[in-house]
Amino acid sequence: DQQVKQNSPSLSVQEGRISILNCDYTNSMFDYFLWYKKYPAEGPTFLISISSIKDKNEDGRFTVFLNKSAKHLSLHIVPSQPGDSAVYFCAAGDGGYQKVTFGTGTKLQVIP
Amino acid sequence: GAGVSQSPRYKVAKRGQDVALRCDPISGHVSLFWYQQALGQGPEFLTYFQNEAQLDKSGLPSDRFFAERPEGSVSTLKIQRTQQEDSAVYLCASSLRLFAYEQYFGPGTRLTVT
Repeated sequence: DQQVKQNSPSLSVQEGRISILNCDYTNSMFDYFLWYKKYPAEGPTFLISISSIKDKNEDGRFTVFLNKSAKHLSLHIVPSQPGDSAVYFCAAGDGGYQKVTFGTGTKLQVIP
Repeated sequence: GAGVSQSPRYKVAKRGQDVALRCDPISGHVSLFWYQQALGQGPEFLTYFQNEAQLDKSGLPSDRFFAERPEGSVSTLKIQRTQQEDSAVYLCASSLRLFAYEQYFGPGTRLTVT
């Protein structure tokens, strides 16, 4: 039972354009959402998060949008840069101690 | 300061061997997590420590998996009688505060069971 789903395994975007990565979840108990970025042979690194009391959170080029009624969140990167090429994982927490559930990841390639 | 470190980075084990994977969290971090990441998948929760107490081990796939953090800092994940399906990257993560979802990950240990 995949509670956090990233249905696009890969995405290619031209440098300077917007990258939009999507994530859907099924567990209505999730109340905190995160995006992690992962380069090959490294562990995931925290990128941005959002609480369920908000519908948008912005940090520089990165914005996360949350649509609770649709159980959907998205990460927007604008403008995209070649250094953004990585695997992006969506993750969700249910208000417990800190346990998070990860999606399967989307590999983003930003083409120069 | 130093991040989360894990050793060894790569481990090849023959089926049936026991392995021990080490995690050094960021100094002072209270919470420590172990995850298993299979090829093409996201990290899957294995177990959680708050200081030296193992508060959740619901993700450990079998009783062949055992984790400890005896002094509330370094942690070891032990897998007994390894099987081919144990081949994966094992990730350790730590977090400074309780109830803070942002976790700092180590680079992982890639375990290959032949």
